[in-house]
Amino acid sequence: EVQLVESGGGLVQPGGSLRLSCAASGFPVSSNYMGWVRQAPGKGLEWVSVIYSGGRTYYAASVKGRFTISRDNSKSTLYLQMSSLRLEDTAVYYCAREGSGSSWAGMYYFDYWGQGTLVTVSS
Amino acid sequence: QSVLTQPPSASGTPGQRVTISCSGSSSNIGSNTVNWYQQLPGTAPKLLIHSNNQRPSGVPERFSGSKFGTSGSLAISGLQSEDEADYYCATWDDSRNGPVFGGGTKLTVL
Repeated sequence: EVQLVESGGGLVQPGGSLRLSCAASGFPVSSNYMGWVRQAPGKGLEWVSVIYSGGRTYYAASVKGRFTISRDNSKSTLYLQMSSLRLEDTAVYYCAREGSGSSWAGMYYFDYWGQGTLVTVSS
Repeated sequence: QSVLTQPPSASGTPGQRVTISCSGSSSNIGSNTVNWYQQLPGTAPKLLIHSNNQRPSGVPERFSGSKFGTSGSLAISGLQSEDEADYYCATWDDSRNGPVFGGGTKLTVL
């Protein structure tokens, strides 16, 4: 059974750093495109970052240069290192797995999501 | 401001059919497939429709999707009270090299 479990959220001051983890089970994290999606309180979903099975990474403009996505295949865990945090980064952060298995990104969709971890940036 | 445009709200009575629209552009919906997610209050999003009109295992046939040009649409027939949730459309955006989402539509079952 596929499961994604996030951890690492919490309260951090503006300008601070935090590392989120997403423990995956039921599939090898290295074989799938994986992503982070966030949801600010009362708002919609916003893509944050993705990592391809081959290791390529991409970031939303709002976090580029501040966030780093990575994975540890041996631990089957996805990470999101967040630095220079801003008030507007406050959100529930979800990790998600791509489900199509397609070589064409235009077909990508997230078939499994974690339960989310709350990051609050406040002084 | 979300890249894809959805109506903020929709409503219907039990048994009715409702549709939710999703408007994009040539760099996203126009050249890629549309997906829909359902988010019940306090829970993570759940995949509802992928590849424009494909239902994952376990999703009732009442839910259907379509795409035409740079727009997508989600239809829910035989509306039930448990369908009350937020619905998000999503697709790949070629100019952003990543997925984009609609702002979400809150469905109320009257």
